[in-house]
Amino acid sequence: EAAVTQSPRSKVAVTGGKVTLSCHQTNNHDYMYWYRQDTGHGLRLIHYSYVADSTEKGDIPDGYKASRPSQENFSLILELASLSQTAVYFCASSEAGGYTGQLYFGEGSKLTVL
Amino acid sequence: GQQVKQSSPSLTVQEGGISILNCDYENDMFDYFAWYKKYPDNSPTLLISVRSNVDKREDGRLTVFLNKSGKHFSLHITASQPEDTAVYLCAAGANQGGSAKLIFGEGTKLTVSS
Repeated sequence: EAAVTQSPRSKVAVTGGKVTLSCHQTNNHDYMYWYRQDTGHGLRLIHYSYVADSTEKGDIPDGYKASRPSQENFSLILELASLSQTAVYFCASSEAGGYTGQLYFGEGSKLTVL
Repeated sequence: GQQVKQSSPSLTVQEGGISILNCDYENDMFDYFAWYKKYPDNSPTLLISVRSNVDKREDGRLTVFLNKSGKHFSLHITASQPEDTAVYLCAAGANQGGSAKLIFGEGTKLTVSS
């Protein structure tokens, strides 16, 4: 069974603060993704990575950084959290080939910025 | 603009009926199409997917129809059951300029009433 775990599962942050969301996968997958879910927008791609030490911008990268220090770990960093970044964030992984492979999602991280 | 769009935010079907979920896309380069299912407070999971070289794929009660000329694909669920109640996310993907991404629609909340 594919396993993608996220931490924290829930976080309350203050505006202007730094937030780091972490993701760990044990699938031995090359591709990892960060999506955010908002009502009425479905899942929107923030950043993704297909190899360690390299990240790519998704469709809505502004205000976010990503880090892929190893194949297993992929972090999403909000240097200056804003109210508009309140959302549920999903990490996912897939085998080489990226978009044609099944995405295995983590449980989600609910971020509330006050 | 929204590259992948689900125009119906919600759908209610009687138990035993056929649920038809629709998805429209804009990008001619998309060659992979998928449907994911998401229960509340859970992560999305892949239901069924097709490549652009086929017009139809069946898997049990699920059938995906792909209309490339109309840039439209749909998911049909026959003999709908209460446990089919969930949010259904369509997704389409392409490898564009070396960037492989899967783009999701906004989701359709399906309710199967008994």
